[in-house]
Amino acid sequence: AQSVTQLDSQVPVFEEAPVELRCNYSSSVSVYLFWYVQYPNQGLQLLLKYLSGSTLVKGINGFEAEFNKSQTSFHLRKPSVHISDTAEYFCAVSPGTYKYIFGTGTRLKVLA
Amino acid sequence: GAGVSQSPRYKVAKRGQDVALRCDPISGHVSLFWYQQALGQGPEFLTYFQNEAQLDKSGLPSDRFFAERPEGSVSTLKIQRTQQEDSAVYLCASSYNRDTNYGYTFGSGTRLTVV
Repeated sequence: AQSVTQLDSQVPVFEEAPVELRCNYSSSVSVYLFWYVQYPNQGLQLLLKYLSGSTLVKGINGFEAEFNKSQTSFHLRKPSVHISDTAEYFCAVSPGTYKYIFGTGTRLKVLA
Repeated sequence: GAGVSQSPRYKVAKRGQDVALRCDPISGHVSLFWYQQALGQGPEFLTYFQNEAQLDKSGLPSDRFFAERPEGSVSTLKIQRTQQEDSAVYLCASSYNRDTNYGYTFGSGTRLTVV
């Protein structure tokens, strides 16, 4: 079985500051790793994904994440956030089938 | 359409009432998924369709939940005799391919409140 832990339920950060949203996972098999973003009143949108290869993956809107197998982590980072990045961010794993296992989400609040 | 459309956007139901939630996937997407997102939680898998065939319904919480996709496009999630614990956002997603590695397109969801 797989599980995902997002350690921070809310993260406030000032505009133009860097941010890191933490994600740890547990799995007995190899998994794919994902970050989805949910803007207010919208559906989830794929931000980036790790399938294989380079452990540093880049996504849309300037976000990137690093897969760390030894620490079973997949933290999301952005060097400089904007007000428009205010949203809820979900980390997810998949064993490569059609199911996602999502974390409980992290609300990013960007302050002016 | 351009995206996955769900209706209604909001639904308030009295306990014991039956509800039906609709999902219009992206045209041509053969795979369709329903997820349930309770308050403060991440989305949880309910069921999966490939065309009109329901290939996995293992996530449906009880036999009060029923999903169908009779013509392989529009899907309906029906909840009979709603209970307060059914209050959640119900998300529909579709994909051209069933595998998660391609990513899915999610709708905005239907927020169900049972009073």
